[in-house]
Amino acid sequence: EDKVVQSPLSLVVHEGDTVTLNCSYEVTNFRSLLWYKQEKKAPTFLFMLTSSGIEKKSGRLSSILDKKELFSILNITATQTGDSAVYLCAVVSTSGTYKYIFGTGTRLKVLA
Amino acid sequence: ETGVTQSPTHLIKTRGQQVTLRCSSQSGHNTVSWYQQALGQGPQFIFQYYREEENGRGNFPPRFSGLQFPNYSSELNVNALELDDSALYLCASSFAANYGYTFGSGTRLTVV
Repeated sequence: EDKVVQSPLSLVVHEGDTVTLNCSYEVTNFRSLLWYKQEKKAPTFLFMLTSSGIEKKSGRLSSILDKKELFSILNITATQTGDSAVYLCAVVSTSGTYKYIFGTGTRLKVLA
Repeated sequence: ETGVTQSPTHLIKTRGQQVTLRCSSQSGHNTVSWYQQALGQGPQFIFQYYREEENGRGNFPPRFSGLQFPNYSSELNVNALELDDSALYLCASSFAANYGYTFGSGTRLTVV
């Protein structure tokens, strides 16, 4: 059965800290891996990763994919209170139909 | 601001009732997927519609059904509501069946 596992489930840090969020997967017909930030309702897109070893970067956020070991990490440096959210990892599978398989998310709380 | 709009934003229903949730896709998007997100969980794929035809379904019973209209707006219908159907229902649209999705803000359904 396809699965996506995120760790840790929750994390509390102070402003300025650096955090690393993990996502491992076992999915048939892997197409890509995406990271989303969910603050209230709509998940907002952060990164799409399709190739191993190529870091994607946006400001203080960066992410990389390892297709051999089947995992991805999302790094946030110099965290701010506005980074507090649930971070979702989703793997795109084309098995049967094109669909997203989500992990349960990592709840990040950044304290001032 | 997301281009996918969902209505209503909140809904309370009684067990056994039926409910219809609505989604207006982002302009130019012909594919829509629906996801169920229970509290503390990641979104789970319900089904996908492409050009008014269902072209993929997750592990949900037949009482979950959908429609996509010629203008590519969509409905999710749930019959015989159960307490476990309480969740955030997310609609996501794309301009093609195998491209990245834009999520709406969701409808929070509470079944009592």
